[in-house]
Parts: sequence; C-alpha cells; structure tokens
Amino acid sequence: SAVISQKPSRDICQRGTSLTIQCQVDSQVTMMFWYRQQPGQSLTLIATANQGSEATYESGFVIDKFPISRPNLTFSTLTVSNMSPEDSSIYLCSVSRQTEAFFGQGTRLTVV
Amino acid sequence: QQQVKQSPQSLIVQKGGISIINCAYENTAFDYFPWYQQFPGKGPALLIAIRPDVSEKKEGRFTISFNKSAKQFSLHIMDSQPGDSATYFCAASYLGFQKLVFGTGTRLLVSP
Repeated sequence: SAVISQKPSRDICQRGTSLTIQCQVDSQVTMMFWYRQQPGQSLTLIATANQGSEATYESGFVIDKFPISRPNLTFSTLTVSNMSPEDSSIYLCSVSRQTEAFFGQGTRLTVV
Repeated sequence: QQQVKQSPQSLIVQKGGISIINCAYENTAFDYFPWYQQFPGKGPALLIAIRPDVSEKKEGRFTISFNKSAKQFSLHIMDSQPGDSATYFCAASYLGFQKLVFGTGTRLLVSP
C-alpha cells in the first residue's frame, strides 16, 4: 500500500493569487499523478510528475497554469497559478503500486 | 475514445437490495478495469478490479461482470448496506497503468 499526505487539506483563496499543494508519500515511487475533481464531477488527470524530468501534462492543462515540482522520489508539489473561481475544485495526488492507484485525501480549493 | 461512460448518475437502494452500476468504454487498448469507492472528504479507494481475460470477479459482496465483446463492465453490490453509501467510480487504464481514465461517478444511497 501507500500512505499519501496532502497539505493543505482545504483553503480559500483570492482570485489572482497562487496556491501550492504539497504531496508526501511514505515510500519512493517513480511516478506521481495530480488529478482535479470539480464539484460533483469525476477525476481528471492534470499531469504526471517524474523525478528528474519535466512533468507531462494532459490535454487542456498547461505548465504555466499548473507548474509541478518533483524534487525527489517521495515528494511533489502542484501550484495553481493566477486562480479564478473556475479553479475551485478538489486536487488529488496519486501514486500507483503495481496495478493499484492510491490517493491522498485531497485539497479542497475555493477561489473567491 | 478515451472516455469511460458510467450510469446511473445516482442510485437509491433499500438495505439488503442489489446495487448495479454500469460502465462502457471505447478504447480496446484498455487492459485493466478498477472500481473506486469515495466517501465525502476522502480520496478514492480501490474496491475491486478486473482484467479483460476473465468475465467475472467476486470479492465478498462486490462483483464485477465484464463483457469484452460489448466493451462493458458493471459493479454489483449484493446485500447493500447503509455503510456502502458513497460515490463509485469505474475506471480503465492502459500503457502499463500510466494512464487511468475515470467514469463520471455514481452516487449511491442505501436507505435503512
């Protein structure tokens, strides 16, 4: 299994500002994934973060808006930049072990 | 092609009844089909999963039925309990589990 800790668990932010979300895993993993879950919606993959290389972004997501860092094999950050109310969502960090994906508890972001 | 369609959006079942959630996919490259359970304020957790080389998998009260020719799979929850009330997501993955595509989710309420 994998234990994933995310910080903060929730935040209320002003539009135009940025928020950095931290994800810590209890053991080393090659890939870490960042998802967005909009209110009442499904999970959408934002990007895949590999240690030592640039993150790979999914269609519709760009590095300028969602910069990602992956300084080591147990930690990653996702920044939501220049926020607008449309960015209000739950952001989830995930890792996979063999064929199972594990998720953090998520960061509930509200942009006002 | 990348979508996984899930139905129904919401479901109310009496305690002791059978809950059935259906999913359909298009991409024949998908080779792993998990179901996730999510409680409010928590990240999704793996419930049960199946590979396309079997037609059914059962774990306790939870059963996945898989129809490869129809590109459909479903989750059956037998003897549904109020504690099963949660949101359920089907998903599909490929590329050695580097990608995980989620269905739109089903909100299940099991009434006492």
